Amino acid sequence: AQSVTQLDSHVSVSEGTPVLLRCNYSSSYSPSLFWYVQHPNKGLQLLLKYTSAATLVKGINGFEAEFKKSETSFHLTKPSAHMSDAAEYFCVVSDKIVRGSTLGRLYFGRGTQLTVWP
Amino acid sequence: KAGVTQTPRYLIKTRGQQVTLSCSPISGHRSVSWYQQTPGQGLQFLFEYFSETQRNKGNFPGRFSGRQFSNSRSEMNVSTLELGDSALYLCASSTRDHEQFFGPGTRLTVL
Repeated sequence: AQSVTQLDSHVSVSEGTPVLLRCNYSSSYSPSLFWYVQHPNKGLQLLLKYTSAATLVKGINGFEAEFKKSETSFHLTKPSAHMSDAAEYFCVVSDKIVRGSTLGRLYFGRGTQLTVWP
Repeated sequence: KAGVTQTPRYLIKTRGQQVTLSCSPISGHRSVSWYQQTPGQGLQFLFEYFSETQRNKGNFPGRFSGRQFSNSRSEMNVSTLELGDSALYLCASSTRDHEQFFGPGTRLTVL
């Protein structure tokens, strides 16, 4: 079964300092992993995805994540936080992908609320 | 390309009523998934449709149902509404590589 644990429900950083949002996953298959961001009263936006290619994945807005199979982790980082990064972030693992098709079920973590102080 | 659209954006209903929410996927996307987001339970998977067939279903009671039309547009229906059904309902459409694109959601309030 697939599951995701986001280790921090809230993270606060100062503008210009690094961001680290931690995520551990459990999957019966070779997982596909994602990070999504949700700004207040908005839908979810995909930041980046890992689908068994390079283990270091670069996403939008300067975010990146590293897939570590030995640690079953997929932590999200950014070198320098910006005020506009304040939002809720979700680590997500997908159901098994079948060749030529997709199974659309995503398993979401409980989210990490990122606060950025000026 | 236009993104995923959901209508209506906001709904207020009373207990016992039923409601239908609509989702139009990105052009060319054949898979549509629905999720419920609440403060207490987080984001939970409702169901997924692909080529008008329900391919996957989450752990929700039978009051929650859905369908998909030949143009890939999807609707979900909740009958006999309960207070606990108040939530943000998100629809997502996906590509062959499994990247899901979410709509802005429908905020349902049950009084």
